[in-house]
Amino acid sequence: QKEVEQNSGPLSVPEGAIASLNCTYSDRVSQSFFWYRQYSGKSPELIMSIYSNGDKEDGRFTAQLNKASQYVSLLIRDSQPSDSATYLCAVHYGGATNKLIFGTGTLLAVQP
Amino acid sequence: NAGVMQNPRHLVRRRGQEARLRCSPMKGHSHVYWYRQLPEEGLKFMVYLQKENIIDESGMPKERFSAEFPKEGPSILRIQQVVRGDSAAYFCASFRSNEQFFGPGTRLTVL
Repeated sequence: QKEVEQNSGPLSVPEGAIASLNCTYSDRVSQSFFWYRQYSGKSPELIMSIYSNGDKEDGRFTAQLNKASQYVSLLIRDSQPSDSATYLCAVHYGGATNKLIFGTGTLLAVQP
Repeated sequence: NAGVMQNPRHLVRRRGQEARLRCSPMKGHSHVYWYRQLPEEGLKFMVYLQKENIIDESGMPKERFSAEFPKEGPSILRIQQVVRGDSAAYFCASFRSNEQFFGPGTRLTVL
């Protein structure tokens, strides 16, 4: 059973702080990793993808991947109240279909 | 939503009725993925289709659920004889450059 695990939260951080979201996955053959943001009642929005070990930065967001430890994380710098949402970690386990396995998400609350 | 269209956005059905959910992928795309999000749960893969073919239906419930993507028109996810446990948000996604982009979803409520 391929799994993706996330702490459900809520993770509460003050405005301007760094929010750190973590995700672990069960299958070493995984190749592609994604972070989606989902506001309440809305659809998931892709914010980061990462395929290689190390860090990938895009604006205030940094994704970190460690395949040996089977975890992927998302850092949000200078957190804003508008970042308050559920963050979903998704993993593509390979194969021809590219289907994604999602974690249950971490609820982030940025306190003004 | 990157050009992925879904309708209706909200659908209310009584137990035993049929629900039809439609999805049009990004322009020029011929593949769609369907996912379901039950209340307080993560997204679960249901089915992957290309025009006129079901590629992977490993996430589809064995009964009452079916999906198609005809040569012309949108992809349709069909749920027969709905039950309250079918109440959920149903999302479809387009695939581009190894990434999936989701439509706005259909929120199904079964009374």
